[in-house]
Amino acid sequence: NAGVMQNPRHLVRRRGQEARLRCSPMKGHSHVYWYRQLPEEGLKFMVYLQKENIIDESGMPKERFSAEFPKEGPSILRIQQVVRGDSAAYFCASSPSNSGPYNEQFFGPGTRLTVL
Amino acid sequence: LAKTTQPISMDSYEGQEVNITCSHNNIATNDYITWYQQFPSQGPRFIIQGYKTKVTNEVASLFIPADRKSSTLSLPRVSLSDTAVYYCLVGGADSWGKLQFGAGTQVVVTP
Repeated sequence: NAGVMQNPRHLVRRRGQEARLRCSPMKGHSHVYWYRQLPEEGLKFMVYLQKENIIDESGMPKERFSAEFPKEGPSILRIQQVVRGDSAAYFCASSPSNSGPYNEQFFGPGTRLTVL
Repeated sequence: LAKTTQPISMDSYEGQEVNITCSHNNIATNDYITWYQQFPSQGPRFIIQGYKTKVTNEVASLFIPADRKSSTLSLPRVSLSDTAVYYCLVGGADSWGKLQFGAGTQVVVTP
């Protein structure tokens, strides 16, 4: 049973370009979460999605960041017009729909974004 | 969401037991205590979860006193491969989906 898949593992962008990060949840999981980890810091929640729905985006920056989890295909975290401060590791996690009460999340290996 | 406080770092030798205590003074009645482990360049991994008293699995034990204002993660007989950052998280159904990671405890195991 494959775990959470993220690609690319490493992404280099120049300031002003767009970054697209992909996440395929574990088989049977319909809940996806995105977290960001800045250097030497803990993970910060960004957004929680179910298929075709954003459940909680309270951790997403108001501008330039968007996320989706379409009916078919992986979840996408999109960062427009990247700036150097966006350089970080972005982790995706997934959980099955019936987990609880404080659900275990399964994390992917992360995408390391470097903005030049 | 309850705030957690844990030591920044701990050092240990192979074969020793490592105990990491986490303080969560304002834990709510419905909150659970969960620990994650993160190796360098990897995503976090669930270790153990508990509500009260003691929980044990093949990896660790979790001790929670009656007042639940703190908890202790115990790693028996650590090896070099246990070098990682350990995060204590507290939350319940109202925060379902939104894990709140603090700075964690960096555990370094040396020969």
